[in-house]
Amino acid sequence: QVQLQESGPGLVKPSQTLSLTCTVSGGSISSGPYYWSWIRQPAGKGLEWIGRIYISGSTNYNPSLKSRVTISVDTSKNQFSLKLSSVTAADTAVYYCARDLGTISKGGFDPWGQGTLVTVSS
Amino acid sequence: DIVMTQSPDSLAVSLGERATINCKSSQSVLYSSNNKSYLSWYQQKPGQPPKLLIYWASTRESGVPDRFSGSGSGTDFTLTISSLQAEDVAVYYCQQYYTSWTFGQGTKVEIK
Repeated sequence: QVQLQESGPGLVKPSQTLSLTCTVSGGSISSGPYYWSWIRQPAGKGLEWIGRIYISGSTNYNPSLKSRVTISVDTSKNQFSLKLSSVTAADTAVYYCARDLGTISKGGFDPWGQGTLVTVSS
Repeated sequence: DIVMTQSPDSLAVSLGERATINCKSSQSVLYSSNNKSYLSWYQQKPGQPPKLLIYWASTRESGVPDRFSGSGSGTDFTLTISSLQAEDVAVYYCQQYYTSWTFGQGTKVEIK
């Protein structure tokens, strides 16, 4: 079955750019009517959707983060990536990648990666 | 943005008893052309990612025990655990996928 795994630096300095990659295994990122999303969760808090990408490169972003977010896809590597610029301590969170089931046959996010903690600190 | 508000923030239920979690959206998430509510429910245990339980407000994901059920339409939704088991202790989130996806703040379910 499809599995997702996040990777990237665990520590980022304020004002710099956070960069994460999600590797999809057990299936092709190009198969199915799926989007691929990033979601984050500050410690002890709730979930915030960051944005998503389709294999065509079409993206949708959370309006509150849109000016700082870029999501891209590399189908040859079965990966998609997140860049979040000008980070502050408020961006410290566990970052998850997940398959977005779209709105055709199902809805919601499944599966999810295990998550990676990114701390913004000097 | 559509704001999702869950109630209560936490609840304690005896083993074998019913647990009910409510979720209200600030605007309807019912898509009139297919009469489906774009609402999902997740379970998150400590140190784990969320797990999809329910989509289309009431369709149980494959492999999810039938003690979990979802109901509601439009702006008001409910997740019910009919007979609470020890392994159901978790935080539960609702999420709308109607537009610019948003989550509720979560409801923590504990054993009384």
